[in-house]
Amino acid sequence: AQSVSQHNHHVILSEAASLELGCNYSYGGTVNLFWYVQYPGQHLQLLLKYFSGDPLVKGIKGFEAEFIKSKFSFNLRKPSVQWSDTAEYFCAVKIGSGNTGKLIFGQGTTLQVKP
Amino acid sequence: SQTIHQWPATLVQPVGSPLSLECTVEGTSNPNLYWYRQAAGRGLQLLFYSVGIGQISSEVPQNLSASRPQDRQFILSSKKLLLSDSGFYLCAWSRGGSTDTEAFFGQGTRLTVV
Repeated sequence: AQSVSQHNHHVILSEAASLELGCNYSYGGTVNLFWYVQYPGQHLQLLLKYFSGDPLVKGIKGFEAEFIKSKFSFNLRKPSVQWSDTAEYFCAVKIGSGNTGKLIFGQGTTLQVKP
Repeated sequence: SQTIHQWPATLVQPVGSPLSLECTVEGTSNPNLYWYRQAAGRGLQLLFYSVGIGQISSEVPQNLSASRPQDRQFILSSKKLLLSDSGFYLCAWSRGGSTDTEAFFGQGTRLTVV
C-alpha cells in the first residue's frame, strides 16, 4: 500500500539553526508532493508543492524542499529557523496521474524552536 | 472565493449512538472531497475520498462510512459509535479534474465517544 513516512517525530532547535525534515513515500508511479504546516490552534496550510520541473521548490516563509525521485524523498529545509516556525509539519503525496484524488499524509513532525 | 464549512466543531456522543458529520464547500464545482482523522503522532489518516457525486473510495475498513449526496456535500457517518472512534476529524477539498492543486481544510470536529 502507498504510504508516506516522516523520520523525525519531534525536533527541537534553537533560533538560527538550520532545519531539515525528512519525508519518504512508497509509490512507484507519478506523484505530486506537498508540505503543510499547522501552527498551534490553526488550520493546516500549504508551505510548498511540487508537480513537475525544477525539483527544488521554494515556498513561503523561507522554506524549500527538494524532490529526489531516485530516493522517493521530498525533504523540507530552512537555513535559519525562527521561534515563529514552532508548529507541526506534514508531508503529503497525491498518488497517480490525472484526477485520482488520493492524497495521503505522513505522521507529522513537531518542531519546537527555542528563542 | 472558495470556503469549506464543517460542523459541528465539537461533539460528545455515547457509545452505540449514530454519527453524522457534515462538510460543504462553496465557490467551486466538482471538487475532490476528503475525510481525515488526525491523531497525535499518527498524522492525518485518510478515511474516505470522493472525486464525484456518489463516488466514494474507502481507505481504512472501520466503523465509519461516507456519502456524497450532492456535488459539494460530504457526510461522514456511523450507525453505532465505538470508543475507538473518538478523535479529530477533518474535511478537505481540492480542485477536481487535475492533480495540480492543493487541499484546503475545514476547521475540524473533535468527537468524543463516552
